[in-house]
Amino acid sequence: LAKTTQPISMDSYEGQEVNITCSHNNIATNDYITWYQQFPSQGPRFIIQGYKTKVTNEVASLFIPADRKSSTLSLPRVSLSDTAVYYCLVKNNFNKFYFGSGTKLNVKP
Amino acid sequence: DTEVTQTPKHLVMGMTNKKSLKCEQHMGHRAMYWYKQKAKKPPELMFVYSYEKLSINESVPSRFSPECPNSSLLNLHLHALQPEDSALYLCASSQDPSAWDSSYEQYFGPGTRLTVT
Repeated sequence: LAKTTQPISMDSYEGQEVNITCSHNNIATNDYITWYQQFPSQGPRFIIQGYKTKVTNEVASLFIPADRKSSTLSLPRVSLSDTAVYYCLVKNNFNKFYFGSGTKLNVKP
Repeated sequence: DTEVTQTPKHLVMGMTNKKSLKCEQHMGHRAMYWYKQKAKKPPELMFVYSYEKLSINESVPSRFSPECPNSSLLNLHLHALQPEDSALYLCASSQDPSAWDSSYEQYFGPGTRLTVT
């Protein structure tokens, strides 16, 4: 089965840029990479999605290299309210989709 | 309305009880999902319904029985659960045609916190 790998946790300070990487070796060739944010006792919330190169929206950027075996979520100028767990969601080449292991981001004042 | 609602918020049940979890969305989405999430773990897919038909069952034990009465509602019937089934149960929906396609943004409800005693 394909595996995704994310750092277990990251610390940052308010106002800094944070980059969280997800490794996904067996991603399906025609599938998107999606990132979600989850606060305690809530359901995940969509942040951003991309297929290749770079995607930017009002809250984040997503960088995907040409081989698509990884992706990096970039959060510009984080605030305390960005403290949460961040998951990548991908589909492997067996048509199974699954969340990555999750990265707990702790933003300090 | 971009909300997925789930009831109840919390549920405590014994191993011999029968209970149901409910999920509702009014976004016109045609794919609906059940996930199970244990503490400090990612959500794990259980079932996917596409156009009110079960399209994915991730080898879930038969003590969990999903039902999709119409395009807005999704139920999860629980019977003879085990303590290890205690978890947060999340419902999600997406605008779908192929229910397993992760390229469609999924909208999640707040979950039902289930405790089996």
